[in-house]
Amino acid sequence: GESVGLHLPTLSVQEGDNSIINCAYSNSASDYFIWYKQESGKGPQFIIDIRSNMDKRQGQRVTVLLNKTVKHLSLQIAATQPGDSAVYFCAEKDRAGGSYIPTFGRGTSLIVHP
Amino acid sequence: NAGVTQTPKFRVLKTGQSMTLLCAQDMNHEYMYWYRQDPGMGLRLIHYSVGEGTTAKGEVPDGYNVSRLKKQNFLLGLESAAPSQTSVYFCASSYSVRGGANVLTFGAGSRLTVL
Repeated sequence: GESVGLHLPTLSVQEGDNSIINCAYSNSASDYFIWYKQESGKGPQFIIDIRSNMDKRQGQRVTVLLNKTVKHLSLQIAATQPGDSAVYFCAEKDRAGGSYIPTFGRGTSLIVHP
Repeated sequence: NAGVTQTPKFRVLKTGQSMTLLCAQDMNHEYMYWYRQDPGMGLRLIHYSVGEGTTAKGEVPDGYNVSRLKKQNFLLGLESAAPSQTSVYFCASSYSVRGGANVLTFGAGSRLTVL
């Protein structure tokens, strides 16, 4: 469940289960949404992105769903593995205003139990 | 390719000392960024550069300066370190800002502690 303060929202799952990580965004002008994975002690790594004119995009074991009506983004990981344990960030890129720098969310910690 | 390389990886400073973090990328990326990451705060943009010789302020620029004298390098300086600057610093680069998703490639991070 979600925590406040210095603690990240945390999702705990069993190995083999499907994981769903959620992200709310606020900027209607964003034209791309991007998911990054950050393993302990490493920098974030790109997982998948989705353009704002799409509702769904699939990758290898991952699916991104975009609901523009409620400004909600989710990352689904199928058959979660211990190697999926990491912090996951969603980022949005604003196409308006001349700034194309992505804005990152706080992140969600995914813990996969063997 | 090495991608994005940050040096040093770890550093301990005393309050008031100065230091420079170096970021180097070998992907011929036009854009480079410095972020800081604090517990529960996600990634916050300090400064960024859209090309050689140009820099711009991000969300939390106070207390930091940057320079981009060469396309492949982006330096982050702390003139007078403060305990509030204790953090993990990430450099990133990207090929294109306007086109596509502007996917960033990150370095492994530099952990800075200010006593």
